[in-house]
Amino acid sequence: DVKVTQSSRYLVKRTGEKVFLECVQDMDHENMFWYRQDPGLGLRLIYFSYDVKMKEKGDIPEGYSVSREKKERFSLILESASTNQTSMYLCASRDTGFRNQPQHFGDGTRLSIL
Amino acid sequence: DQQVKQNSPSLSVQEGRISILNCDYTNSMFDYFLWYKKYPAEGPTFLISISSIKDKNEDGRFTVFLNKSAKHLSLHIVPSQPGDSAVYFCAASAAYSGAGSYQLTFGKGTKLSVIP
Repeated sequence: DVKVTQSSRYLVKRTGEKVFLECVQDMDHENMFWYRQDPGLGLRLIYFSYDVKMKEKGDIPEGYSVSREKKERFSLILESASTNQTSMYLCASRDTGFRNQPQHFGDGTRLSIL
Repeated sequence: DQQVKQNSPSLSVQEGRISILNCDYTNSMFDYFLWYKKYPAEGPTFLISISSIKDKNEDGRFTVFLNKSAKHLSLHIVPSQPGDSAVYFCAASAAYSGAGSYQLTFGKGTKLSVIP
């Protein structure tokens, strides 16, 4: 089974702080993704990475950056946290052996910015 | 503009009956569709998928139907069980070239409640 692990289940930070969310997958997947989930808005893609050191903006990249130095790890960075970044953050990974592969998700990090 | 729409935010069904969750899409480039199930405080779990070359895919109690001309898909759960109570997300992938082909576009979800 694919295992996608997010470092924290719950996190509380203050406005203006730099926040790091970490995600690790154990299946040697090339693709990794960061989403946020908000009530009534579904899952929205922030950034994704299709290989090491490669990154692409998703639908809502403003206020975020990412880092992928190793294949198994994909980090989401909130450069200067704001209250509107309070959300559930979900990491996912996917194999690219065949285009139609599902994404596998971690259990999420519920981030509160005070 | 919302490209994947789940117009019913919630659905209640009696245990043992059929649950039908609907999803509409607007982007004619979408050619692969997935359903995910999400329990509170957990990440979404992949449930079932369908390619645009098919109009039906079954996996146990779960069947997905695709109507390309109507740009509509539906997930049928028969029989529904209390453990099926969760939020269900419809997602779609397009046959773009390059990095865009990796993306999924999600609907906003439908909360299914199966009543014992």
